[in-house]
Amino acid sequence: GAGVSQSPRYKVAKRGQDVALRCDPISGHVSLFWYQQALGQGPEFLTYFQNEAQLDKSGLPSDRFFAERPEGSVSTLKIQRTQQEDSAVYLCASRAAGTYEQYFGPGTRLTVT
Amino acid sequence: GQQLNQSPQSMFIQEGEDVSMNCTSSSIFNTWLWYKQDPGEGPVLLIALYKAGELTSNGRLTAQFGITRKDSFLNISASIPSDVGIYFCAGQLQGGNDMRFGAGTRLTVKP
Repeated sequence: GAGVSQSPRYKVAKRGQDVALRCDPISGHVSLFWYQQALGQGPEFLTYFQNEAQLDKSGLPSDRFFAERPEGSVSTLKIQRTQQEDSAVYLCASRAAGTYEQYFGPGTRLTVT
Repeated sequence: GQQLNQSPQSMFIQEGEDVSMNCTSSSIFNTWLWYKQDPGEGPVLLIALYKAGELTSNGRLTAQFGITRKDSFLNISASIPSDVGIYFCAGQLQGGNDMRFGAGTRLTVKP
């Protein structure tokens, strides 16, 4: 079956621009996670949704970061007024109800110039 | 920041050799997972562990959930060139929603 997909795969933004990153989870997965992965590091948690409810956003680094999942399926991570330190790979993962196994998409590599 | 200490950071081995890597933490986890990440791709789940002391295999891969619930190891037997990549441990904290990842072990296999 289809896995988690993300778009775009690559995004170059000028400092100060807003960006929107999309995640399509595995069909039927109720939980969706966003992670940020810096070069040479493991993924770091940003935020978590259960269906359309954002239950944890403790990992969002600043109020410039905003995520939504209005219909409990597709999710968008928005970064306003991008800064160079926002350059990273942004990973989305989804998880079926009653399990702990998260399945990741290919990521979006964001470069802020 | 990350709470898992993963070692070694990198390994260079000959094809056919066995490999061992581990993760330790000061925190108690109720789930351990091991992932492999290839360049330009997202992490792919290899093995999931749910009980302290559990030993689970997936082909040439074997992983164990430590008795103290604060550590886990991954073994790869008879390595092959396609085992090249970065291996991450990830732990789910009790009562937590997110997974914490180690910094990864970069594996290079020489033919």
